[in-house]
Amino acid sequence: AQSVAQPEDQVNVAEGNPLTVKCTYSVSGNPYLFWYVQYPNRGLQFLLKYITGDNLVKGSYGFEAEFNKSQTSFHLKKPSALVSDSALYFCAVGDQTGANNLFFGTGTRLTVIP
Amino acid sequence: DADVTQTPRNRITKTGKRIMLECSQTKGHDRMYWYRQDPGLGLRLIYYSFDVKDINKGEISDGYSVSRQAQAKFSLSLESAIPNQTALYFCATRSADRDNQPQHFGDGTRLSIL
Repeated sequence: AQSVAQPEDQVNVAEGNPLTVKCTYSVSGNPYLFWYVQYPNRGLQFLLKYITGDNLVKGSYGFEAEFNKSQTSFHLKKPSALVSDSALYFCAVGDQTGANNLFFGTGTRLTVIP
Repeated sequence: DADVTQTPRNRITKTGKRIMLECSQTKGHDRMYWYRQDPGLGLRLIYYSFDVKDINKGEISDGYSVSRQAQAKFSLSLESAIPNQTALYFCATRSADRDNQPQHFGDGTRLSIL
């Protein structure tokens, strides 16, 4: 079975500082990993994904994520946080069956302080 | 994602009532999904459909049913609503052209059952 864990319910960071939102995963084979962002009263928006290849994945809005197989992690990062980055962030893993469904973490609320 | 439209956006109803949530998409995607979001639990899959003749149960299908009326339409029904079905419900779509494509979400329906 596959799963993801987001160990932090809340992350606070000052505007202009680097941010990291953590995600660890558990799968039996090669992982397919995703990050989504949710703004208030909106659905989830896709940020980036890792399927194979380079361990550093670049995505929308200046975000990137680093895949680390030995630590089974896929942390989301941004070099300089903006107030507008404040939102709820979800990590997800694709299942290993033909259905390719997603299993989501519990979410991390990021607050960027001006 | 404006290409995935959910109606209604908000609904308040009473225990025992039948409720239908509707989802339509203009993305031309074959795959459609229904999730519920609860605070601290992330998103959980209720049902998914890979085409009009294909309906599959997800992680938490009890108490729910779905109908795929057309490629573009996928509705979720609560036959007899109960208070613990109060949640935020999301519809999502995905292309089947290639595996591990991201899902595209509607803006959700906030359902309250009194």
